[in-house]
Amino acid sequence: QKEVEQDPGPLSVPEGAIVSLNCTYSNSAFQYFMWYRQYSRKGPELLMYTYSSGNKEDGRFTAQVDKSSKYISLFIRDSQPSDSATYLCAMGRSNYQLIWGAGTKLIIKP
Amino acid sequence: DAGITQSPRHKVTETGTPVTLRCHQTENHRYMYWYRQDPGHGLRLIHYSYGVKDTDKGEVSDGYSVSRSKTEDFLLTLESATSSQTSVYFCAISESQLAASYNEQFFGPGTRLTVL
Repeated sequence: QKEVEQDPGPLSVPEGAIVSLNCTYSNSAFQYFMWYRQYSRKGPELLMYTYSSGNKEDGRFTAQVDKSSKYISLFIRDSQPSDSATYLCAMGRSNYQLIWGAGTKLIIKP
Repeated sequence: DAGITQSPRHKVTETGTPVTLRCHQTENHRYMYWYRQDPGHGLRLIHYSYGVKDTDKGEVSDGYSVSRSKTEDFLLTLESATSSQTSVYFCAISESQLAASYNEQFFGPGTRLTVL
């Protein structure tokens, strides 16, 4: 079993919909939780970062961490075609390497 | 965009040949990483460097070696390429120690390697 599980999709939704992307993990020691966005044929770029539990909001994006359930989510409100990309979760703990999810491909239909 | 370049951007080679990929940064970041990305596996760390001549293995280091003789350059070498090493390779850089604190990794554009 992988340490981090992420549904590869693709997830296809109409423009304007609320999108929910999720990752589950098995290692309760993880402290740092990140979401990266990767456009086709580009390198990933950091979208959201959360330390420990709780929510973090940045514009149309909200990241949630539920450590009791070992579950993290990324919500995108008012989704736009420009949000079409692959979203990768990543998580880690002090002095250890980041562990990455496989990525979810998101398609926003105009 | 962070100043990270990778060369070559695309390469096709044959099984058994040596291949070297180059990552060059202009940000003077201490840490540099090589990842491979394959469908269904996400990003997997191959090797990383925490300073000039200081390197360590990652999750999937077998068949790969690295060198860092200057802060700005990190080389990944496949001594004898195999078809299983067909992948997209990404270089990344960061200022601080991985996962010791808030630590954003900045990624290069990637190199598509095909081993026939």
